[in-house]
Amino acid sequence: QVQLQESGPGLVKPSETLSLTCTVSGVSMRGSWWNWVRHPPGKGLEWIGSISSTGRTDYNPSLKSRLTISVDISENQFSLKLTSVTAEDTAIYYCARDPPATGSSEFDQWGQGSLVTVSS
Amino acid sequence: DIQMTQSPSSLSASVGDRVTITCRASHNINNHLHWYQQKPGKAPNLLISAASSLQSGVPSRFSGSGSGTDFSLTISNLQPEDFAIYYCQQGHSSPLTFGGGAKVEIK
Repeated sequence: QVQLQESGPGLVKPSETLSLTCTVSGVSMRGSWWNWVRHPPGKGLEWIGSISSTGRTDYNPSLKSRLTISVDISENQFSLKLTSVTAEDTAIYYCARDPPATGSSEFDQWGQGSLVTVSS
Repeated sequence: DIQMTQSPSSLSASVGDRVTITCRASHNINNHLHWYQQKPGKAPNLLISAASSLQSGVPSRFSGSGSGTDFSLTISNLQPEDFAIYYCQQGHSSPLTFGGGAKVEIK
């Protein structure tokens, strides 16, 4: 079955870079868009950005200046880098798949989530 | 950005009740509206896509309707496992956005 698994440090210092990787198994990465979504404590869900299997990206303008999403099809992975983090970036970070050929953008497969805390 | 407004933000209901959650988009999104259920400590789970298409494995007591700017999620015959937070999400245009969530609690 399709599985997504986030990995990366759970604690990042303010002003440093948050880095996470999502490993995909059970499905080809080709043809889908691969997304990052976060859930800050006590707040709602926020879409961070996405990348296609060919490397095209789409970023949330609110994060665009600090954000890089990349993909490595050969390793079945895609990654997130968010620079200059503050306490406002503390959240559970999810990776998620936008399936191919639906005509819309939705998230049908999710990782279990990775809590990242920004603190010195 | 397209703003998504859900109501109510929380509700109390009993097992067997019928509950309806609404979601309003700030612009016309046609049927590009998706519903998720999230339980504590878990990732969101896609229940309904394209406003009314039930995902495989989702019980038929869940249904969705609407088009344009106004949408609703209905749970008929509420079951104990349905107590959770429900989110709508528009997939029409970037940036993709979610509603603030509707918490369904046990009365």
